Amino acid sequence: EAGVTQSPTHLIKTRGQQATLRCSPISGHTSVYWYQQALGLGLQFLLWYDEGEERNRGNFPPRFSGRQFPNYSSELNVNALELEDSALYLCATSHRDFYNEQFFGPGTRLTVL
Amino acid sequence: KNQVEQSPQSLIILEGKNCTLQCNYTVSPFSNLRWYKQDTGRGPVSLTIMTFSENTKSNGRYTATLDADTKQSSLHITASQLSDSASYICVVTDAGGYNKLIFGAGTRLAVHP
Repeated sequence: EAGVTQSPTHLIKTRGQQATLRCSPISGHTSVYWYQQALGLGLQFLLWYDEGEERNRGNFPPRFSGRQFPNYSSELNVNALELEDSALYLCATSHRDFYNEQFFGPGTRLTVL
Repeated sequence: KNQVEQSPQSLIILEGKNCTLQCNYTVSPFSNLRWYKQDTGRGPVSLTIMTFSENTKSNGRYTATLDADTKQSSLHITASQLSDSASYICVVTDAGGYNKLIFGAGTRLAVHP
């Protein structure tokens, strides 16, 4: 069974640009969670999508947004990039009723220059 | 405020030795506690999960303990191997509201030959 996949693996942008990160869930998983992990810090919850709708978001500005598609894959968009947005962005997925059994993807390393 | 604190922040041990990592939490109401292993630049992988009624759970050379009264957990690694070098993250499920996962900052373990 294929695991959670994320693309791209690495992304380099400059300040002010927009970044789009993608996540494909494990087959059967309908919930997608996005996390930010800055260097040396713990995971910070960004967004939770389920059945195409945003269910909850963490303490991040509105320039962090996303969406979930009918096939349950998801995109994370970061607008007006700032230097401090440089981080590993992790996507996790789960069955709708098993939110605490999240399976993580390998992450996308975003570098903002 | 719901928090998860881990100690030590980093640890260096020699191959073959044992070690114990600590996790203290203030999350309430508490649902379960999970330990993840995260290799550098990769997504976390679940090692163990315990509910409040469980006080120990093993996964090979990894043994997790939980004291729900004192809100403390530990992860014991036996006969360490070079491949154990990673960050170990304690995650507590906040059973209130949206059942959010609260992540600790992790302990970075380095196993040297």
